[in-house]
Amino acid sequence: NAGVTQTPKFQVLKTGQSMTLQCAQDMNHEYMSWYRQDPGMGLRLIHYSVGAGITDQGEVPNGYNVSRSTTEDFPLRLLSAAPSQTSVYFCASSIGQAGGNTIYFGEGSWLTVV
Amino acid sequence: AQSVTQLDSQVPVFEEAPVELRCNYSSSVSVYLFWYVQYPNQGLQLLLKYLSGSTLVESINGFEAEFNKSQTSFHLRKPSVHISDTAEYFCAVGGAAGNKLTFGGGTRVLVKP
Repeated sequence: NAGVTQTPKFQVLKTGQSMTLQCAQDMNHEYMSWYRQDPGMGLRLIHYSVGAGITDQGEVPNGYNVSRSTTEDFPLRLLSAAPSQTSVYFCASSIGQAGGNTIYFGEGSWLTVV
Repeated sequence: AQSVTQLDSQVPVFEEAPVELRCNYSSSVSVYLFWYVQYPNQGLQLLLKYLSGSTLVESINGFEAEFNKSQTSFHLRKPSVHISDTAEYFCAVGGAAGNKLTFGGGTRVLVKP
């Protein structure tokens, strides 16, 4: 019972490098999203998707790109890493986009930009 | 716009003592309310949620939260905590526009023996 799987778990990047955080879910969920977690700020929504081929911006989208080519996968791309993007990133999914549906989170990806 | 305020960033508590984690929200529309728990180095897990109906909601591990519309609060309580309850707890509000959650800053609970 995998649920939401994120890779890598830990990553160190140099300023200006690009990378992709992978996210996959095996629950056939339509809704997927990416959050970042920073101390004292809770989690903030970066991007979300309500189905394959459809993505939209959340609260803090700058510097990040997403695509949704399949129901299962929702990768997050950092285009040119900056120290301000040092954070813990969580991928999440729910069965549908309606408010109130339980959101399931992955175990997180710790990213450090030096 | 929605916002969530968790009034305590850290709450130390002795084992078997009660604990209350405070959460206030603001929203211009009807909301759904959630409490998530995060154990060290793990993702978030849903603890309980309020969608409608009874204002008192319970989790399977002894936590409960009460939705108070007039005070715009959703405080979380447990009458007797265990060491295993040591974690960070997040209050969140959703429902205004799709399934996007707005989180509070989190409350770290440290249960001492």
